[in-house]
Amino acid sequence: DIQMTQSPSSLSASVGDRVTITCRASQGIRNDLGWYQQKPGKAPKRLIYAASSLQSGVPSRFSGSGSVTEFTLTISSLQPEDFATYYCLQHNSYPWTFGQGTKVEIK
Amino acid sequence: EVQLVESGGGLVKPGGSLRLSCATSGFTFSSYGMNWVRQAPGKGLEWVSFISSSTTYIYYADSVKGRFTISKDNAKNSLYLQMDSLRAEDTAVYYCARDPVYTRGRFDYWGQGILVTVSS
Repeated sequence: DIQMTQSPSSLSASVGDRVTITCRASQGIRNDLGWYQQKPGKAPKRLIYAASSLQSGVPSRFSGSGSVTEFTLTISSLQPEDFATYYCLQHNSYPWTFGQGTKVEIK
Repeated sequence: EVQLVESGGGLVKPGGSLRLSCATSGFTFSSYGMNWVRQAPGKGLEWVSFISSSTTYIYYADSVKGRFTISKDNAKNSLYLQMDSLRAEDTAVYYCARDPVYTRGRFDYWGQGILVTVSS
């Protein structure tokens, strides 16, 4: 199975900060990677697909980059509604696997 | 508007069975692959199973293979997960999630989730 290692597992940031979350795959996955946001008690929401394509309706402050084994999710200017947990997902080969999550908290 | 609504969860004893349903609307269900994804209390996300649009391809996570069965009824616009030989570690919120057709990637829409608790 492909292991997805996400870092950091949590971070504290202020409104307006630039935030970067990293996901590393245990083997090459081309750009078969998505990023998801989950708020407490809610279903996840897709933000990014194909490593860098923005899901329709998602604010442009979210961006993704990377390929093969190293990927990043960047929030250019953190907003109050962005405090949540973020997950990466690889879908290059079964079983699809998620990173362990990054909880973004208010500083 | 795309909608996915899970039902059928609840409390079941170890070794028991449960059938989850996911009723969909707002899109042509027969054209889409579908998935089940679960989340144990306080834990991360785990993909469980996939079924292709025409049911030709079906995949399972090793943790549920041989115990869970995914199916879809295109006439009823519904996805199902038959869960047998349930274990305590199957306790989780179960989400149905759609695979996109017009974009790449996975899980573009999700249901609200349904809780399954396996306990004596």
